[in-house]
Amino acid sequence: DAMVIQNPRYQVTQFGKPVTLSCSQTLNHNVMYWYQQKSSQAPKLLFHYYDKDFNNEADTPDNFQSRRPNTSFCFLDIRSPGLGDAAMYLCATSIHSRPDTQYFGPGTRLTVL
Amino acid sequence: GENVEQHPSTLSVQEGDSAVIKCTYSDSASNYFPWYKQELGKRPQLIIDIRSNVGEKKDQRIAVTLNKTAKHFSLHITETQPEDSAVYFCAASKTGANNLFFGTGTRLTVIP
Repeated sequence: DAMVIQNPRYQVTQFGKPVTLSCSQTLNHNVMYWYQQKSSQAPKLLFHYYDKDFNNEADTPDNFQSRRPNTSFCFLDIRSPGLGDAAMYLCATSIHSRPDTQYFGPGTRLTVL
Repeated sequence: GENVEQHPSTLSVQEGDSAVIKCTYSDSASNYFPWYKQELGKRPQLIIDIRSNVGEKKDQRIAVTLNKTAKHFSLHITETQPEDSAVYFCAASKTGANNLFFGTGTRLTVIP
């Protein structure tokens, strides 16, 4: 059974055209994360939500925003995608008592034309 | 902040041989060390983890060792199989932090 679901799995957008990626979870975990992973690199944390509290990484560009309307869903908005934003975007979740144990979704591969 | 280094970046072994991947970390407060396996185009999957109150943990053909004094930890895979071929990431975290600090990854190829 899928626990962390990401939609779409593949997204193509044009340079500068806003795009939204979706993540949902059936685990009822408190914490949800968004990572960016470029080819042959480690996942890079963009931000995370602890319940409704938003935590941005210092080096995350302003171009990236996130929303978490409820426990189950979290969205990644890229306001004006550039060619350098083409990557795999991974969503992950963890439970508050063990925030370090993270469960990843299958990812959304973003292509920017 | 934490800095995790991982070696080697690529590793090729013959089927049946053992593979060892090593990571070092910089923050002595780190106390949780997971290993993730990522096959091409797929999600990172947790394969084993260790907390700082133990020095070694085994799960079938996979083991992880931790040396807190030296601040390094290693992944050991015995009797490797072609399906073990993937990129492996180590990571470090600490109590109260939500961040996982990842190593740069090791591409393991098991040659049949």
